[in-house]
Amino acid sequence: DIVMSQSPSSLAVSAGEKVTMSCKSSQSLLNSRTRKNYLAWYQQKPGQSPKLLIYWASTRESGVPDRFTGSGSGTDFTLTISSVQAEDLAVYYCKQSYNLLTFGAGTKLELK
Amino acid sequence: DVQLQESGPGLVKPSQSLSLTCTVTGYSITSDYAWNWIRQFPGNKLEWMGYISYSGSTSYNPSLKSRISITRDTSKNQFFLQLNSVTTEDTATYYCARSRTTVGATFDYWGQGTTLTVSS
Repeated sequence: DIVMSQSPSSLAVSAGEKVTMSCKSSQSLLNSRTRKNYLAWYQQKPGQSPKLLIYWASTRESGVPDRFTGSGSGTDFTLTISSVQAEDLAVYYCKQSYNLLTFGAGTKLELK
Repeated sequence: DVQLQESGPGLVKPSQSLSLTCTVTGYSITSDYAWNWIRQFPGNKLEWMGYISYSGSTSYNPSLKSRISITRDTSKNQFFLQLNSVTTEDTATYYCARSRTTVGATFDYWGQGTTLTVSS
C-alpha cells in the first residue's frame, strides 16, 4: 500500500498570508509512461463534502481560484495558497491514485 | 447539474450487513465514469472503499474485499454499497462520488454524505 503523509497536521494563519503544506508518498507517484503524477488535493470545509482542487499534482480544477497552486513530483508534493482568504479555512487532503487510492490524514488550516 | 444523494439506515447492529444507496441525477451512470464509495471515520480519516464503473465492472479496496459488494440498478440510476459483518469500526460518514478515470481517478462530484453508526 502507498502511504501518504501530510504535514503539518494543523496550521494557524492570518488572512492574506502565504501558506504551504506538504504531502509525501511512500512510493513515487510518477507514471513513466504518461509522465503524470497521480496526486490530487481536496479541500473539505466543516460540514461539507471534500472538493477537488488540484489533480496531476499541479493542474487546477475548473473554477478553483488561482491562489491555489500544486507542485512537486515523485514522492514530494506541496499545496500553496498565495494569499489565504477566510473562506479557505478547511482541512486539505492529498490523495494518490497511482496504485488504488489512498488519502493523507489532512492539514487543518485555522485562523490565527 | 450532476447530483449524488446517499441514503441509508443510520444505525446498524454489529455483525449485521449495511446497505446504502446512492441516487444520481443529471447524468447516467452507464454513460461514463466510475461510481465510488468513500467513507470518513470519526477523526476525519478518509478511506476509498471501491467503485462500479459505467460498464459494470467493480474494484474494491483490498482491506475490505471479503466484506464489500457494490452493485447498481441502471433503471433507477442508482448504485449500492453492501458491507457485511459490520463492527463498531465501520462507524463513519459514507460518501458516494463520481471519479474521472482519464485524469487519475479524481472525484469531481460528491454526495453530502450519510452517517452510519454501528452499535448494539
